[in-house]
Amino acid sequence: EAGVVQSPRYKIIEKKQPVAFWCNPISGHNTLYWYLQNLGQGPELLIRYENEEAVDDSQLPKDRFSAERLKGVDSTLKIQPAELGDSAVYLCASSGTGEEQFFGPGTRLTVL
Amino acid sequence: SQKIEQNSEALNIQEGKTATLTCNYTNYSPAYLQWYRQDPGRGPVFLLLIRENEKEKRKERLKVTFDTTLKQSLFHITASQPADSATYLCALGYSSASKIIFGSGTRLSIRP
Repeated sequence: EAGVVQSPRYKIIEKKQPVAFWCNPISGHNTLYWYLQNLGQGPELLIRYENEEAVDDSQLPKDRFSAERLKGVDSTLKIQPAELGDSAVYLCASSGTGEEQFFGPGTRLTVL
Repeated sequence: SQKIEQNSEALNIQEGKTATLTCNYTNYSPAYLQWYRQDPGRGPVFLLLIRENEKEKRKERLKVTFDTTLKQSLFHITASQPADSATYLCALGYSSASKIIFGSGTRLSIRP
């Protein structure tokens, strides 16, 4: 069974540029999460989807971050414009009927 | 807001010994608690889940305890091996909202 797929794995951009991350969850998983992880810290939830509905986006900085999950399968997280403080690893995870979350490898973003 | 504390310093253990990691939390107790393993450059991997009405859970060389009075979970790895070296994250889950809050993790190093 394929795991959670994320792309790109690495991204380097200059500040004020836009950037987008893509995630394909495990087949059949209705719940999808986007997390931000800073070095030495645990993942912090940005947004959670149940199918195509964003049910928890309270931690998403909506002035510059946006996300979508059209058709309730894969998802895209966008930052526009990026700031220096956005440098981090962006993790995508999915879950099925249980509480266990399955994580992708993450996208490491560096903003110069 | 909920605060989760894990050993902030790295834990160095001799191979074959039992490694014990601590997860403390403040305020309200979670419905369940999870432990994840994270290797450098990879996403977290689920290990164990323990619910609020359970005292102990085991899986092979892993054991988790949950004390809601002390507001603490202990994670044990018996007969530790160098391959167990990684960062271990605890995560608190509340109700059926599928939302979990991660601690900052403890880096474990097993020396041969």
